[in-house]
Amino acid sequence: GAGVSQSPSNKVTEKGKDVELRCDPISGHTALYWYRQSLGQGLEFLIYFQGNSAPDKSGLPSDRFSAERTGGSVSTLTIQRTQQEDSAVYLCASSLRVGLTLTPDTQYFGPGTRLTVL
Amino acid sequence: KQEVTQIPAALSVPEGENLVLNCSFTDSAIYNLQWFRQDPGKGLTSLLLIQSSQREQTSGRLNASLDKSSGRSTLYIAASQPGDSATYLCAGGGSQGNLIFGKGTKLSVKP
Repeated sequence: GAGVSQSPSNKVTEKGKDVELRCDPISGHTALYWYRQSLGQGLEFLIYFQGNSAPDKSGLPSDRFSAERTGGSVSTLTIQRTQQEDSAVYLCASSLRVGLTLTPDTQYFGPGTRLTVL
Repeated sequence: KQEVTQIPAALSVPEGENLVLNCSFTDSAIYNLQWFRQDPGKGLTSLLLIQSSQREQTSGRLNASLDKSSGRSTLYIAASQPGDSATYLCAGGGSQGNLIFGKGTKLSVKP
């Protein structure tokens, strides 16, 4: 079946502009995660959605970052007033939550969006 | 705060060798431990997931172990092939499923 898809695959923007990154999770997956991978850095958790619950925003680096998930499916990550340090690959992942305790299951990643802020 | 460390940062081996990649984590209260591979310019591919109640998982030539008490996981690759060349990432999963990643081991398998 179809995997996680992200768009655009590449985005070049000027410092100070806003950008929106889109993620389509695997159908039926209730959990959705955003990460970013900066050059020379490891993968960094940004935000997590589970069903209709309030998102876990604990990883967002500043208030310029926000995300929403409409209808429990597609998610958009928005970065306002972009800075050069925002340049990175932004990865989205989705997973099932299994069992009565909603145990986290395997995360499946999309190909990422490479953001370059000039 | 959970921290994940991977050693070595890079590894080069001849084809056919068995090898071990190491991962350590500081907080033993993880819900799972997941291993991924990342090919240049591509996303992550999940290899193995070990739930906190498990000790190991196997898939083909790959075997991953988890020792929560010592804060360690290893990924064993048998009979390595040039196609195994990639960066291997381990990640510890929290209660909400968010993953804390190590910086990876870049593996090169030479024919």
